[in-house]
Amino acid sequence: GAVVSQHPSRVICKSGTSVKIECRSLDFQATTMFWYRQFPKKSLMLMATSNEGSKATYEQGVEKDKFLINHASLTLSTLTVTSAHPEDSSFYICSALVGQANTEAFFGQGTRLTVV
Amino acid sequence: GDSVTQMEGPVTLSEEAFLTINCTYTATGYPSLFWYVQYPGEGLQLLLKATKADDKGSNKGFEATYRKETTSFHLEKGSVQVSDSAVYFCALKWRSASKIIFGSGTRLSIRP
Repeated sequence: GAVVSQHPSRVICKSGTSVKIECRSLDFQATTMFWYRQFPKKSLMLMATSNEGSKATYEQGVEKDKFLINHASLTLSTLTVTSAHPEDSSFYICSALVGQANTEAFFGQGTRLTVV
Repeated sequence: GDSVTQMEGPVTLSEEAFLTINCTYTATGYPSLFWYVQYPGEGLQLLLKATKADDKGSNKGFEATYRKETTSFHLEKGSVQVSDSAVYFCALKWRSASKIIFGSGTRLSIRP
């Protein structure tokens, strides 16, 4: 199947700093990628849809100025958590759709962000 | 709106037990249905899928049948192993749309 690679897998940062998470499609081109946030023992919450060459589409309640998304190429989307606070600590997962008519989603391995 | 409901976890079973994790959905029409598995500290992996009514998805001994009449997609496995311990997500997606709707996830723990 298609491979989506996320980096880093784990990051610890200080409050007030910014952290960038990368999501790459390794063997296919992805015009659309998705960013999810997962709280402990909870389901995935879709944060935003990342569109190559255009602005991301954010879900209701997600601060676009705090969670900056850039999709500059067909194989890379980045999520930058700006001015991070401890409440931003979470597991962030990206995904991309593949297959005819984009019917199947493949997920990155996730990034555990801890803000101290 | 569209939604997916899964049985609450955690589910704890002994090795070689029979597993059922219930999943029902609310949607008009015929979305594609999926089961994803998340192992500790990892992202999600597609376990199996079904794209139309009466289809059966299967993988690694797991099965689920798309039941339109009961709007269900229950996950089953005849004999679970310790390595099956993970969180399982039921999900639906419309062919014409990009968004995936996930259930809340069911944590499965298998005792040796």
